[in-house]
Amino acid sequence: AQSVTQLDSQVPVFEEAPVELRCNYSSSVSVYLFWYVQYPNQGLQLLLKYLSGSTLVKGINGFEAEFNKSQTSFHLRKPSVHISDTAEYFCAVSDIGNSGYSTLTFGKGTMLLVSP
Amino acid sequence: DGGITQSPKYLFRKEGQNVTLSCEQNLNHDAMYWYRQDPGQGLRLIYYSQIVNDFQKGDIAEGYSVSREKKESFPLTVTSAQKNPTAFYLCASTISNTGELFFGEGSRLTVL
Repeated sequence: AQSVTQLDSQVPVFEEAPVELRCNYSSSVSVYLFWYVQYPNQGLQLLLKYLSGSTLVKGINGFEAEFNKSQTSFHLRKPSVHISDTAEYFCAVSDIGNSGYSTLTFGKGTMLLVSP
Repeated sequence: DGGITQSPKYLFRKEGQNVTLSCEQNLNHDAMYWYRQDPGQGLRLIYYSQIVNDFQKGDIAEGYSVSREKKESFPLTVTSAQKNPTAFYLCASTISNTGELFFGEGSRLTVL
């Protein structure tokens, strides 16, 4: 079984500052990794995903994440945040190699609070 | 436009009543999922279905039931056996075996 740990429940940051949201996972097999964003009272939207290939993955809205297999991490970064980035961010993992459709295991989320 | 429609968006019910949440998708996805979201808890899997007329329990299936009679539809019933039904419920679907999900806008259930 997999598990996902998001180390920070809240990250406050000033506008135009850089930010890193941390995610660590645990799995006995190789995994696919995802970051989703959720605005208040809405569903989740995919930010980016790591399936294979380059360990640096670029997503929407200027976000990127780096897969580090040795540290079992998939931290999300943005060099300069905007007020509109205020939202909750979820890291998620699924196992590679399942027959049929996989299920995603989610972390508990990190609330990014951007202030002027 | 293709997408996932959940209804109602907000629902209030008295304790002891069964409630059914609707989820419809026109993405032609085979697999559909129900997640429950509580503050600070992330998303937890309730049920999922990979094909019509078949579904599997997730991590927190007790007190819930589902059906999958059509590819497009995957309704969730919150029964009176669910001890803490007040939550935000999210429906999702996928056509990919990587686990990548497309989500609906959610339904917020409040039990009074």
